[in-house]
Amino acid sequence: GAVVSQHPSRVICKSGTSVKIECRSLDFQATTMFWYRQFPKQSLMLMATSNEGSKATYEQGVEKDKFLINHASLTLSTLTVTSAHPEDSSFYICSARDLERGGNSGQYFGPGTRLTVT
Amino acid sequence: RKEVEQDPGPFNVPEGATVAFNCTYSNSASQSFFWYRQDCRKEPKLLMSVYSSGNEDGRFTAQLNRASQYISLLIRDSKLSDSATYLCVVNIRNDYKLSFGAGTTVTVRA
Repeated sequence: GAVVSQHPSRVICKSGTSVKIECRSLDFQATTMFWYRQFPKQSLMLMATSNEGSKATYEQGVEKDKFLINHASLTLSTLTVTSAHPEDSSFYICSARDLERGGNSGQYFGPGTRLTVT
Repeated sequence: RKEVEQDPGPFNVPEGATVAFNCTYSNSASQSFFWYRQDCRKEPKLLMSVYSSGNEDGRFTAQLNRASQYISLLIRDSKLSDSATYLCVVNIRNDYKLSFGAGTTVTVRA
């Protein structure tokens, strides 16, 4: 079946540094990928929609200058958390739509990246 | 009002029992509904889509009630491996952006 990978799976960084997270669709092309964030005991919250070849669209309340998204190819989207602070510590998950599958049933999630900012 | 609301549980049931729980959604025009399963510290995985007429996948049965804007999930003959958090997921605005409920925790005990 379709697989989405994320790298790294876990990262610990110091406050003020930037962290890049990669999301790859391994056996299908994805013009659209989604980035979510999940705090402990809370639901996944959509942060932004990553569009191949164009700018990402951000959900209300998400700072686009802090969370930089680049969707350079049909199989790769990156999320960079700039000037990370402890409150950015969270579980970041991407998902990608398999266009050939169609609909939402063709949306697959990556394994997530656990970010800890000290 | 939250877009998707769920009873957080937890539901603690013995093996073999039946457990059911609901989820409500805010937009009556929503068209796509799903149940996902999330194990501790892992990504969500699609359990099943929910169709208008209701649908079954093995021991799992999903129902949609458009009039009351809720969906339900029923698990029959619970197994220990069914212990997880079940996420109600709705494509609220029919734009492929998924809205997640906070999850219902189910623990099946031996």
